[in-house]
Amino acid sequence: DAGVTQSPTHLIKTRGQQVTLRCSPKSGHDTVSWYQQALGQGPQFIFQYYEEEERQRGNFPDRFSGHQFPNYSSELNVNALLLGDSALYLCASSIRGQVTGNTIYFGEGSWLTVV
Amino acid sequence: GNSVTQMEGPVTLSEEAFLTINCTYTATGYPSLFWYVQYPGEGLQLLLKATKADDKGSNKGFEATYRKETTSFHLEKGSVQVSDSAVYFCALKGQGAQKLVFGQGTRLTINP
Repeated sequence: DAGVTQSPTHLIKTRGQQVTLRCSPKSGHDTVSWYQQALGQGPQFIFQYYEEEERQRGNFPDRFSGHQFPNYSSELNVNALLLGDSALYLCASSIRGQVTGNTIYFGEGSWLTVV
Repeated sequence: GNSVTQMEGPVTLSEEAFLTINCTYTATGYPSLFWYVQYPGEGLQLLLKATKADDKGSNKGFEATYRKETTSFHLEKGSVQVSDSAVYFCALKGQGAQKLVFGQGTRLTINP
């Protein structure tokens, strides 16, 4: 049973460019959340997708957008990249309605460096 | 809003020492509380959890007790090993919520 898979694992972009990160949730999970973890900080919630719609959003600008596909996989898009967007982007999957913590699984993350 | 405050790091201990990493939280209602661990170059792994007051979560020799009266969830281990070197995050999930709110993390280094 594959867990949460993310791609790419590492990438380097230039300021002003756009990036797309991808996530496949754990089998049987229908909800995908994205977190940004800056160096030396805890993860910060970006948004959550369920039934192909954004359900919750953290304090991130509109440059951050996402999508969920019918197979529950998800993409995170960041436009007009800034140096401050350099971070580890974590995808988490869960089952909607289950509120116990062990239903949230994290991927290994995508390391984004903006130069 | 909900928030988590963790003990500042880094923490450096010798093997077999006793470990405590403090965590306090602010939340309305009855949140669930978690400790996650992040080994170098890896994602987050759930270490332990507690979903109601006075619950004790435990795993791999680590323990934490959900103390509502002091709004705390301190992580403890009686005898640490070099392999416990990692960054530890305290987190909460608000009642009925799906997202996690994390503390800033505590880097732990265990020397042989």
